[in-house]
Amino acid sequence: GAGVSQSPSNKVTEKGKDVELRCDPISGHTALYWYRQRLGQGLEFLIYFQGNSAPDKSGLPSDRFSAERTGESVSTLTIQRTQQEDSAVYLCASSLAASASYEQYFGPGTRLTVT
Amino acid sequence: DAKTTQPTSMDCAEGRAANLPCNHSTISGNEYVYWYRQIHSQGPQYIIHGLKNNETNEMASLIITEDRKSSTLILPHATLRDTAVYYCIVRPSGDKLIFGTGTRLQVFP
Repeated sequence: GAGVSQSPSNKVTEKGKDVELRCDPISGHTALYWYRQRLGQGLEFLIYFQGNSAPDKSGLPSDRFSAERTGESVSTLTIQRTQQEDSAVYLCASSLAASASYEQYFGPGTRLTVT
Repeated sequence: DAKTTQPTSMDCAEGRAANLPCNHSTISGNEYVYWYRQIHSQGPQYIIHGLKNNETNEMASLIITEDRKSSTLILPHATLRDTAVYYCIVRPSGDKLIFGTGTRLQVFP
């Protein structure tokens, strides 16, 4: 079946502009996660959604970052007033539920470059 | 705070078994051991996970010691396409995965 998809695959933006990154989770997956990976580094957790519960925003690095999810479908990660340090690959993952017994499946990522 | 310790890098000959160790001496009773891998420029790929018992799937086997303080991921017949960074993760609940630095596995011909 279809996996997690993300768009765009690549995004180049100028410093100070806003960007929106999209994630389409696997159908039926109630949990959705966003991570960031800077060049040559490991993954950093940003935020996750589980059903209709309040999202866990504990990983968002600043108030320029926000994310929304409509029901159990698409999620959008928004970065306002982008800075060069925001350049990274942004990865989305989904799982059947936010339980440690359920694995997360990752999308291919969106490579964001801020010039 | 990855809670796991892995060797920085390992080599393996193509066709041989690759055994990747992981130490997680502070693991709690309800925490799962997960393994993911990341091939260059791709998103992480789920491999396998377990709680107490050894697990096997089409990709790999996971051996967890009886005291659960360490585990080994086994790729039974490594191929060149298995060259990747392998992450061992201890996951306490349903939320975020915390990735450490992983083991860079190089499979050579």
